Amino acid sequence: DTGVSQNPRHKITKRGQNVTFRCDPISEHNRLYWYRQTLGQGPEFLTYFQNEAQLEKSRLLSDRFSAERPKGSFSTLEIQRTEQGDSAMYLCASSFRWQARYNEQFFGPGTRLTVL
Amino acid sequence: AQKVTQAQTEISVVEKEDVTLDCVYETRDTTYYLFWYKQPPSGELVFLIRRNSFDEQNEISGRYSWNFQKSTSSFNFTITASQVVDSAVYFCALGRGFNKFYFGSGTKLNVKP
Repeated sequence: DTGVSQNPRHKITKRGQNVTFRCDPISEHNRLYWYRQTLGQGPEFLTYFQNEAQLEKSRLLSDRFSAERPKGSFSTLEIQRTEQGDSAMYLCASSFRWQARYNEQFFGPGTRLTVL
Repeated sequence: AQKVTQAQTEISVVEKEDVTLDCVYETRDTTYYLFWYKQPPSGELVFLIRRNSFDEQNEISGRYSWNFQKSTSSFNFTITASQVVDSAVYFCALGRGFNKFYFGSGTKLNVKP
């Protein structure tokens, strides 16, 4: 049973460029979450999916951000026209909706984005 | 509103000392879940423990133990006989069902040999 994987692990881009990150959840996990973590802070929620449906988006997710989860498997997070303030670690997590009392989220290694 | 506060920014201990990490939460939900995660220097968040709001029994798992007190909205985490490998940032999180988690700002634990 492999864990959550994220690609790329690191991304350096110039301001104004578009970037896309991928997350592969644990197989059979139907819930997938995206968080953003800046230096010295805890993760902040961005959005989450149940299967292919995007159920909630944070107000942190501006119009430049878009996330998809086609066919309820892997997910992509795209940032258009990147800004220096987008520099952060982007974390993906997944969980299995069966019993809420076992709702821990399992996290991937993250994608560290640096916008120059 | 949901909020998690970890007042301890950084703690340093010498190996084999016991250390307690504090967590205070705010929620109006009657059913909620509390978690502790560990983030080593490699960066990946590792799930440690979960506690459901309707179960206040405190437990011990190996060198880890936790103290959940609804009356004070606290969910403290203790590592007994700390080891250098315990050095990491520890996050407390609050969740409701399968919705998003609210994380505290983390406590950096330094265990010195």
